[in-house]
Amino acid sequence: QQQVKQSPQSLIVQKGGISIINCAYENTAFDYFPWYQQFPGKGPALLIAIRPDVSEKKEGRFTISFNKSAKQFSLHIMDSQPGDSATYFCAATMYNNNDMRFGAGTRLTVKP
Amino acid sequence: DSGVTQTPKHLITATGQRVTLRCSPRSGDLSVYWYQQSLDQGLQFLIQYYNGEERAKGNILERFSAQQFPDLHSELNLSSLELGDSALYFCASSVFSSPDLENTIYFGEGSWLTVV
Repeated sequence: QQQVKQSPQSLIVQKGGISIINCAYENTAFDYFPWYQQFPGKGPALLIAIRPDVSEKKEGRFTISFNKSAKQFSLHIMDSQPGDSATYFCAATMYNNNDMRFGAGTRLTVKP
Repeated sequence: DSGVTQTPKHLITATGQRVTLRCSPRSGDLSVYWYQQSLDQGLQFLIQYYNGEERAKGNILERFSAQQFPDLHSELNLSSLELGDSALYFCASSVFSSPDLENTIYFGEGSWLTVV
C-alpha cells in the first residue's frame, strides 16, 4: 500500500519564524500533491498544491518545494502567524485514481 | 464555509446499530467523496461517486455502503457498528472526477460518530 510519510508530528514556531513540514512518498506514479490546513472542528481546506513538473510553487507566505528524485516535498510557511496554528496534511494522488493518500498530519503551534 | 453540508454533526449510537450520514455537495459539483478520520488511522479515503456512479473505492469496509442520488446528494450507510468505527466522517465534493490543480476538493465539517 502506497503511503505518504509526514514529519514532524508537531511543531512549535515563534511568530515571524519559518515553519517547515516535510513529506515523502513511495509511488512514483503520484502526480498531484496538495497540502491541506485543518482547524479544530472544521474540515480540511486546500492550502496549496503542486504537480511534479515544477520544483517550487509559492502562494503568498506558503511555498511548496518538490524534489522528484528524492520523492519528497515540503511546505514552508514564511512569517508564521498565530492564526496559522492548525493541523497540516500533505497528500498525494494520481490522475484518475482518486484514492488520495494523506500524511498523518502535523500540528503547528505559532507562539505570539 | 466550504459549501459542503453534512448532517448530522454529532451522532452517538450503540454497537450493532446502523446509521446514515448525509452530504449535500457544493452547488455544481458532480463528485462526492467520503473520508474517515480517526486518531489511529488518520485521514482515509473511503469511496467516491461521480454524477451518480461509483468512481473509486478505497478502504471501505463491507459493512459500509454509499450512494449518490439524482439530485447529487450522497449518503454513507454504516451498519453492524463496532467501537472501532467511532470517527469523524467527512464528505467532500469537486466539480470533476479527479483531484487536480484545476479540480479542488472541498471538505464539509464532518459528522462525528461515537459508537458505545
